[in-house]
Amino acid sequence: DAGVTQSPTHLIKTRGQQVTLRCSPKSGHDTVSWYQQALGQGPQFIFQYYEEEERQRGNFPDRFSGHQFPNYSSELNVNALLLGDSALYLCASSWWGQGYEQYFGPGTRLTVT
Amino acid sequence: AQSVTQLDSQVPVFEEAPVELRCNYSSSVSVYLFWYVQYPNQGLQLLLKYLSGSTLVESINGFEAEFNKSQTSFHLRKPSVHISDTAEYFCAVSELQGAQKLVFGQGTRLTINP
Repeated sequence: DAGVTQSPTHLIKTRGQQVTLRCSPKSGHDTVSWYQQALGQGPQFIFQYYEEEERQRGNFPDRFSGHQFPNYSSELNVNALLLGDSALYLCASSWWGQGYEQYFGPGTRLTVT
Repeated sequence: AQSVTQLDSQVPVFEEAPVELRCNYSSSVSVYLFWYVQYPNQGLQLLLKYLSGSTLVESINGFEAEFNKSQTSFHLRKPSVHISDTAEYFCAVSELQGAQKLVFGQGTRLTINP
């Protein structure tokens, strides 16, 4: 049974560029949440997707957007990258209504230069 | 809204010594409580959680945490640590309903010295 997978593992982008990160949830899970973990900080909630809709959003600007596909996989898009967007981006999956059982992927390390 | 405060950013201890990592939270509603562990260059792994019932919860690798509602705390303890316990530990809370997003503390880096 595959756990949560994320791609790519590492990514280097230049300021102003756009980036797309991908997440496949644990088998059977229908809900995907994204978190940003800056260096030396705890993860911060970006948003959550269920039934292909954004269900809740954290305190992140509109440059951060997402999508969920019918197979429950998800993408995180960040436009107009800033140096401060450099972080580890974590994806977590769960059953809707069972957020107390969130499984995390290994993350995508994004570096903006 | 919820917030989580981990009172120590770094905790150095000797191998086989006991350790306590402190966590306090603030919330106007009832919450679930969690401890996650992050090994270097890896994602987060759930260590243990409190949902309801007994206020003392245990993990399979010897850690335990006690929910104290009056002090709004959820401290993590281990009676004897090993080198392999070296990692970053995060305390987190979530609401009981809705999206149940996780709100994390800043983390505590546990360093085990031989």
